[in-house]
Amino acid sequence: EPEVTQTPSHQVTQMGQEVILRCVPISNHLYFYWYRQILGQKVEFLVSFYNNEISEKSEIFDDQFSVERPDGSNFTLKIRSTKLEDSAMYFCASSHRGSNQPQHFGDGTRLSIL
Amino acid sequence: GIQVEQSPPDLILQEGANSTLRCNFSDSVNNLQWFHQNPWGQLINLFYIPSGTKQNGRLSATTVATERYSLLYISSSQTTDSGVYFCAVTRNTGKLIFGQGTTLQVKP
Repeated sequence: EPEVTQTPSHQVTQMGQEVILRCVPISNHLYFYWYRQILGQKVEFLVSFYNNEISEKSEIFDDQFSVERPDGSNFTLKIRSTKLEDSAMYFCASSHRGSNQPQHFGDGTRLSIL
Repeated sequence: GIQVEQSPPDLILQEGANSTLRCNFSDSVNNLQWFHQNPWGQLINLFYIPSGTKQNGRLSATTVATERYSLLYISSSQTTDSGVYFCAVTRNTGKLIFGQGTTLQVKP
């Protein structure tokens, strides 16, 4: 069964550094998402992406965050200047169509900011 | 926005026992998914169930959309069922709104 893949599985970064999290969605999917989960808390929506543009973003997704689909397969989340509170598990998800289709999640990237 | 409440927050079972997890949501939804988060943090897709009933092995789920709740049944629980179970919903937009989860511990 096709799956969403995320790299790296664990990233350790110094505060203030830029970090790029990478995702390869399922190939025929059109909608892409990033979510984050702070340790011990629930999963929170960050941003959705369709047709090469952001379709929705949450309050968390401020100017420090950006997303990009640089080619036909990758979908990236960039945090420009990381803060301690950015430490979390970041999940990428994709769906074939929008809200009426299930979202398929990757295994996540655990981001640790020192 | 939509509120999602899960109960119970914590559950401890002996291996072999059955359990029911509940998810209440505050508005009509287009999508409802149940996930199992294992000890390694992976989110495993269990069911896509905006309405009706589905079964997959020892797990089954029922969503009564008109009454705004969903139930996840686990029968003959095993230690590998331990972890956190999340319900998540979406309405007109794609973003999934997650509940706080039910933490399940199955003891041998």
